[in-house]
Amino acid sequence: AQSVTQLGSHVSVSEGALVLLRCNYSSSVPPYLFWYVQYPNQGLQLLLKYTSAATLVKGINGFEAEFKKSETSFHLTKPSAHMSDAAEYFCAVSRSEYGGSQGNLIFGKGTKLSVKP
Amino acid sequence: NAGVMQNPRHLVRRRGQEARLRCSPMKGHSHVYWYRQLPEEGLKFMVYLQKENIIDESGMPKERFSAEFPKEGPSILRIQQVVRGDSAAYFCASAGTSGGTFTDTQYFGPGTRLTVL
Repeated sequence: AQSVTQLGSHVSVSEGALVLLRCNYSSSVPPYLFWYVQYPNQGLQLLLKYTSAATLVKGINGFEAEFKKSETSFHLTKPSAHMSDAAEYFCAVSRSEYGGSQGNLIFGKGTKLSVKP
Repeated sequence: NAGVMQNPRHLVRRRGQEARLRCSPMKGHSHVYWYRQLPEEGLKFMVYLQKENIIDESGMPKERFSAEFPKEGPSILRIQQVVRGDSAAYFCASAGTSGGTFTDTQYFGPGTRLTVL
């Protein structure tokens, strides 16, 4: 069975500082992993996804994530935070018995990112 | 995700009434997923449909909830005899063929926020 744990429900950084949002997964098959961002009162927007190709995945808005099988982690990073990055971020794993990315997504509880001027 | 349409964006119902939530997937997409987001929680999978078929409804409450995705028209999530605990944001996501290319990445709509009085 697949599951996702996001460490830290709230993260606060200063503008220009490194952003690090943590995600650990559990999966009985090779996982497909995703990061989504949600702005207030909006839907989820895909930031990036890992589908067993390169372990370092680059996404939109300067975000990237590294898949580390030995640590079962898929942490999201951005070198320099911007005020517009303030939002809630969700890590998700695809629940597929066949290891593909179809099937429903299992989400973590989310991490709210605040950016201080 | 701008291509996935949901309506209404906000819906207010009194206890015992019915709620109908609509989701129009991105053009060419034939896979629809419904998720529910309760306050301070991540998204929870409810049901996965393809045209005219329910593929996985393991996340649907056993009573009062139903979903369909007809050959023509939007997917509909129906909640009968709503209770206060049904108050949540309901998101749909779609996947499938777009621009001649199949993608199993799920793209989310803006959600319907249901309030039960």
